[in-house]
Amino acid sequence: AQSVTQLDSQVPVFEEAPVELRCNYSSSVSVYLFWYVQYPNQGLQLLLKYLSGSTLVKGINGFEAEFNKSQTSFHLRKPSVHISDTAEYFCAVSRKTSYDKVIFGPGTSLSVIP
Amino acid sequence: ETGVTQSPTHLIKTRGQQVTLRCSSQSGHNTVSWYQQALGQGPQFIFQYYREEENGRGNFPPRFSGLQFPNYSSELNVNALELDDSALYLCASSSTGTGNTEAFFGQGTRLTVV
Repeated sequence: AQSVTQLDSQVPVFEEAPVELRCNYSSSVSVYLFWYVQYPNQGLQLLLKYLSGSTLVKGINGFEAEFNKSQTSFHLRKPSVHISDTAEYFCAVSRKTSYDKVIFGPGTSLSVIP
Repeated sequence: ETGVTQSPTHLIKTRGQQVTLRCSSQSGHNTVSWYQQALGQGPQFIFQYYREEENGRGNFPPRFSGLQFPNYSSELNVNALELDDSALYLCASSSTGTGNTEAFFGQGTRLTVV
């Protein structure tokens, strides 16, 4: 079975400051990794995904994440946040054999302070 | 806008009643997955439908059931509603067998059980 841990439930950060949202996963098989964003009263939007290859993945809205297999981590980063980045962020995994059955972490609430 | 539409957007039901939620998948997608997102938590996988058959199920009781139609749209049915069933129900569509690893989510149906 797969599981996802997001170490911070809430992250406040000032506008234009950098941010890192942490994610660790557990799995006995190879997985795909994802970060989704959820704005208030909306569904989920894919930010980025790691399938294979380069461990540094770039996504939409200036976000990037780095896959670290030895530490089973997939932390999300942005060098300079904007007010509009305020949202809930979910790290997720799926088995490579059933990539559309996604296991989500509990989420990190990012609040950008003006 | 993902092209995945869910109806209704909001719903209030009484404990013990039955409810049907609907999802229209994105054009060209043949797989629909359903998730339950309780307040303040990450989405939990309920089940997935592919070619009108259930293709995997999470840890949900049998009173959660579903259907997929020939046009790949889907329904989620919940019988004997309980207060804990109050949640945002998300539908995701994807394309099995094409190598496309992304699932697209709808805006969700907010179910309140009173």
